[in-house]
Amino acid sequence: QVQLVQSGAEVKKPGASVKVSCKASGYTFTSYDINWVRQATGQGPEWMGWMSPNSGNTGYVQKFRGRVTMTRNTSISTAYMELSSLRSEDTAVYYCARALYDNYGFYYSWGQGTLVTVSS
Amino acid sequence: DIVMTQSPDSLALSLGERATINCESSQSVLYSSNNKNYLAWYQQKPRQPPKLLIYWASTRESGVPDRFSGSGSGTNFTLTISSLQAEDVAVYYCQQYYSSRTFGQGTKVEIK
Repeated sequence: QVQLVQSGAEVKKPGASVKVSCKASGYTFTSYDINWVRQATGQGPEWMGWMSPNSGNTGYVQKFRGRVTMTRNTSISTAYMELSSLRSEDTAVYYCARALYDNYGFYYSWGQGTLVTVSS
Repeated sequence: DIVMTQSPDSLALSLGERATINCESSQSVLYSSNNKNYLAWYQQKPRQPPKLLIYWASTRESGVPDRFSGSGSGTNFTLTISSLQAEDVAVYYCQQYYSSRTFGQGTKVEIK
């Protein structure tokens, strides 16, 4: 079955960077975009952008451009999301997610989430 | 950006009652070329990722109980739980994927 497994919780200081990994299994990694969604406590989810594991192409929400980088290592079926210049407002659970089919923007498979805490 | 607004923010109902959650988008999410509404619904329980319930506004995801149904078109959508069960206690989100992707603020469903 499709599974996305993320790296563990992180605590970072303001101004630092964090890199979250998402290992895919149960399907052909290069066939579906990996999307990243974050969710602050008590808030609705917020889509950050997508990456094509096949081509490496990316698309980032305007809000995150210049601070976010999405990459992949196809040999180990793993996607990465790096967020730099962290501030307290970036404290959230970060999820990777995959579409059900044809890379339409609704997500049926999600990672378990990675809590990123930004605190001095 | 398309803004998604849900109502109510929370509701408390008795077991077996019907739950109705509304979602309004700031612009239409109906794509005229294929007549599909680019609208999904998710259920989220504490410490879990969102779970896809409905896509294309009314298509139930495989394995989702048939007490969950979605309706609406254009800018106004509804998620209905026909007979509320204890396991339905959760926060529900609508999401548009017509232009970028944006989620509603959530509706918390509790048992009275």
